Amino acid sequence: AQSVTQLDSHVSVSEGTPVLLRCNYSSSYSPSLSWYVQHPNKGLQLLLKYTSAATLVKGINGFEAEFKKSETSFHLTKPSAHMSDAAEYFCVVRGNNNNDMRFGAGTRLTVKP
Amino acid sequence: GAVVSQHPSRVICKSGTSVKIECRSLDFQATTMFWYRQFPKQSLMLMATSNEGSKATYEQGVEKDKFLINHASLTLSTLTVTSAHPEDSSFYICSIKGGTRDTQYFGPGTRLTVL
Repeated sequence: AQSVTQLDSHVSVSEGTPVLLRCNYSSSYSPSLSWYVQHPNKGLQLLLKYTSAATLVKGINGFEAEFKKSETSFHLTKPSAHMSDAAEYFCVVRGNNNNDMRFGAGTRLTVKP
Repeated sequence: GAVVSQHPSRVICKSGTSVKIECRSLDFQATTMFWYRQFPKQSLMLMATSNEGSKATYEQGVEKDKFLINHASLTLSTLTVTSAHPEDSSFYICSIKGGTRDTQYFGPGTRLTVL
């Protein structure tokens, strides 16, 4: 069965420094992976999605993620953090059933001025 | 992108009472709606999937008689927590999908506290 593990429950960075949010997946098939962001009092928003077309996926707001099959990883990165990036981030894998989305536990990103 | 609203955003109720949460699709007709539950510091867990006009499909371990889902129209789904207990306190999030769109759009969530 498909699953994802987010390795850090909380990441804190300074504004202007790089962001790295780690996610490892487990899948017996070629996985469909995505990252979502959840701001307080707002709905989850799709940042980016991997669909096997390219291993480096570019998303919104300067985020990108690289699919590494050898490491079963799909880490989310951004070169320079902005205060508005502070939020909860979820790594998600879609299961065999197209409606079956399995969420990681989430990583809370704090950005310090 | 699509806009999904949930009402209420926050509700506190006494143990034994029932609570209804509404999920509305504001931008397009949602043929499929999902209900998730999120405990503090935990991931979202899918509770049920519903298609307009059909009975909801519940995930294993979710009591269908306790969590009543009604997908009355292509823009409205409701989740009723019947005879709520403190252990039902959680963050409930709805999500929609429709037409040819593969992306799911999520509502802002409803925080339920049962005293």
